[in-house]
Amino acid sequence: IAGITQAPTSQILAAGRRMTLRCTQDMRHNAMYWYRQDLGLGLRLIHYSNTAGTTGKGEVPDGYSVSRANTDDFPLTLASAVPSQTSVYFCASSRTGQGSEQYFGPGTRLTVT
Amino acid sequence: KNQVEQSPQSLIILEGKNCTLQCNYTVSPFSNLRWYKQDTGRGPVSLTIMTFSENTKSNGRYTATLDADTKQSSLHITASQLSDSASYICVVSAGNYGQNFVFGPGTRLSVLP
Repeated sequence: IAGITQAPTSQILAAGRRMTLRCTQDMRHNAMYWYRQDLGLGLRLIHYSNTAGTTGKGEVPDGYSVSRANTDDFPLTLASAVPSQTSVYFCASSRTGQGSEQYFGPGTRLTVT
Repeated sequence: KNQVEQSPQSLIILEGKNCTLQCNYTVSPFSNLRWYKQDTGRGPVSLTIMTFSENTKSNGRYTATLDADTKQSSLHITASQLSDSASYICVVSAGNYGQNFVFGPGTRLSVLP
């Protein structure tokens, strides 16, 4: 069982380019999340999905979009990357309901130049 | 505004020593509190989870406490090891369904030989 995987591991991207970060989980979790982690700040929620077919905005959604076509995959797209989107991006998943633990992927380090 | 604060920001201790990390939160309605360990370059991994009615929870050399009245939690590490070097993140779940996760900025612990 792989758990939750992310791709790519790292990426250097020119400003203005489009980029999709991939996230896949094999735990059949209903809920999935995308966070960004910047130095000195806690993880901040970008978008989430409580179940396949639904998505919602988190704390910092601007410049990002997501889709949830099935239970396993939750890609994050940057339509036109900007340098302020340089960050480490973590995907996570959990069962729904109280007390559900989040499981995190290994992260994608993105640098926008 | 829901918020989680952690102290100290960073800590250096010698191998074999004990240490205590602090977490204060202003989150309502409270669902549960988790401590995560995040190794450099990896995603966070759950150490403990506590609900409103629990005031202590242990996981090996890690012991977490929760005072729901003062909205404080601590993570005590006993007989530290070099592998304990990591960031420790306090996360409080808000809301009736426990899916609104509020992350603290983390405490960076370095254990030296």
